[in-house]
Amino acid sequence: KQEVTQIPAALSVPEGENLVLNCSFTDSAIYNLQWFRQDPGKGLTSLLLIQSSQREQTSGRLNASLDKSSGRSTLYIAASQPGDSATYLCAVMTPGTYKYIFGTGTRLKVLA
Amino acid sequence: DAGVIQSPRHEVTEMGQEVTLRCKPISGHNSLFWYRQTMMRGLELLIYFNNNVPIDDSGMPEDRFSAKMPNASFSTLKIQPSEPRDSAVYFCASSFTELVTNYGYTFGSGTRLTVV
Repeated sequence: KQEVTQIPAALSVPEGENLVLNCSFTDSAIYNLQWFRQDPGKGLTSLLLIQSSQREQTSGRLNASLDKSSGRSTLYIAASQPGDSATYLCAVMTPGTYKYIFGTGTRLKVLA
Repeated sequence: DAGVIQSPRHEVTEMGQEVTLRCKPISGHNSLFWYRQTMMRGLELLIYFNNNVPIDDSGMPEDRFSAKMPNASFSTLKIQPSEPRDSAVYFCASSFTELVTNYGYTFGSGTRLTVV
């Protein structure tokens, strides 16, 4: 059974820092991995999607990497800003289905 | 595209009442998913449809929950009778799958359900 873990559960950093959020999964046979952002009381916004054949994806200050063999993904945020404060969720799509298993998220706070 | 549209945004109902949540997926997407989010359990998949057919409903908590997708542009999640423990945010998401490639989910804004 696929399990997804995100560490740390919460993170508080000063503005301007580069930071890394971690996601690990137990079954390396995946279709893809998607990172989402969720603001308090809001829905989920897709940030980056990495297909199983890819190693990384970039969008602006965000870079996500995927290492299937070790069951890990990282989300790198460069030059963090207070507007980046949110909960970041990773989700892994399981083989044989098209459903995502979600991690419990990392709650990020960027201090001005 | 307007994205995935859910209604209502908020619903407050009394225990025992029927509740119906609605979702309009993105046009052209062939899969639709209903998730429930709570503080204790995070995001849980309730049911998903592919080409309007229910594929996996193993996450539906019990017989009080039912979901339908009568056509490619509309789905409902119904709870009857509702209970206080059903209070949560219910999300709908849609995606497009071609051959063996899936292009990720797009989520709606959610329905916050409170059962008193």
